[in-house]
Amino acid sequence: GEEVAQTPKHLVRGEGQKAKLYCAPIKGHSYVFWYQQVLKNEFKFLISFQNENVFDETGMPKERFSAKCLPNSPCSLEIQATKLEDSAVYFCASSQIPAHGYTFGSGTRLTVV
Amino acid sequence: AQSVTQLDSQVPVFEEAPVELRCNYSSSVSVYLFWYVQYPNQGLQLLLKYLSGSTLVKGINGFEAEFNKSQTSFHLRKPSVHISDTAEYFCAVILLSGNTPLVFGKGTRLSVIA
Repeated sequence: GEEVAQTPKHLVRGEGQKAKLYCAPIKGHSYVFWYQQVLKNEFKFLISFQNENVFDETGMPKERFSAKCLPNSPCSLEIQATKLEDSAVYFCASSQIPAHGYTFGSGTRLTVV
Repeated sequence: AQSVTQLDSQVPVFEEAPVELRCNYSSSVSVYLFWYVQYPNQGLQLLLKYLSGSTLVKGINGFEAEFNKSQTSFHLRKPSVHISDTAEYFCAVILLSGNTPLVFGKGTRLSVIA
């Protein structure tokens, strides 16, 4: 498709529960990026993929966060044992040539209560 | 590492007035530059980008930006704003190689007042 599709739009989890977010990149885009936007509007880079391979994971919290991009499936970002501080909007983006910019999805708002 | 500074966190402006949103960047090597807009409860939409060529870049919705290498700036301008321009605006940079992720400023909230 011509847009980056993120599901669900909203997700509410109790502290300690698992959260799983999905992202379908634009067809033909081989790069996928995940960012976390917290209340102060700051965008924190989490992880990127080139096809199904991790391209850059320097922003990924090691302990509870994991992500995958498997062939013929949406990419996913999973948070095990969510904490209150994980409440944020998670954006996915895709690109064919990263240096020329990314196309962003509309985000998943995660609320941990 | 690259960094982006958006000097104003909030900019109120009257409808039909001109506006400039300031962006300065820091990088030891050349970068590409972007402006994105985020409307309430929506994702980021690309307004314009500078990759090469003319330093004055025109984007969507009547916005333009000028790349100034000596001042390491990429300020966004619009000669006459509309109520519908009320949104959060983000400046971003990326290395020419694209091997490191897009780095964002903290955003400028543009509020257009009728």
